[in-house]
Amino acid sequence: EAAVTQSPRSKVAVTGGKVTLSCHQTNNHDYMYWYRQDTGHGLRLIHYSYVADSTEKGDIPDGYKASRPSQENFSLILELASLSQTAVYFCASSEMDRTNTEVFFGKGTRLTVV
Amino acid sequence: GMPVEQNPPALSLYEGADSGLRCNFSTTMKSVQWFQQNHRGRLITLFYLAQGTKENGRLKSTFNSKERYSTLHIKDAQLEDSGTYFCAGLTNAYKVIFGKGTHLHVLP
Repeated sequence: EAAVTQSPRSKVAVTGGKVTLSCHQTNNHDYMYWYRQDTGHGLRLIHYSYVADSTEKGDIPDGYKASRPSQENFSLILELASLSQTAVYFCASSEMDRTNTEVFFGKGTRLTVV
Repeated sequence: GMPVEQNPPALSLYEGADSGLRCNFSTTMKSVQWFQQNHRGRLITLFYLAQGTKENGRLKSTFNSKERYSTLHIKDAQLEDSGTYFCAGLTNAYKVIFGKGTHLHVLP
């Protein structure tokens, strides 16, 4: 079973502050993803990456930056946290080769911006 | 339209009943995954399909890439099946796009 570990698991941040959410995977997966989930809603793609030192914008990238310093690590950065960024954030990874495109998710990080 | 349209948005079933969920895709998807999100918020993978049909106990899922849809059938619903179910499709650009979910409530 692929392991995707997110830290922290929950965080309270102050409006205007900087927040960094971290994700680590141990399965040599090329693709990594960051999603946000708002209460009662589905997951929306923020940023993703298919190789170290490169990131791609997802469907809702505004207000977020991403960093992929290595194959194992993918961070989501909120430079100026806002109340509207209160949500649960999920990281995911996948091998994405020709025969296997299954995606594995972390347990989520609950972010509250006050 | 939405890349992944999931229906119904909510569903109530009595224990023992059968029902189905469906996702329609506006574009060709390489694969689909179905997840159950439990009361703790964990996403549990139920099925991963690149094509065809898979069964696991009381659950069965089908993915038809050409016709752009996937279904999840629940047979003999149990109380512990309650939760939110999501489908997610993998686009040709390797983006994984989620449906909005189906909130399932199994009644005793």
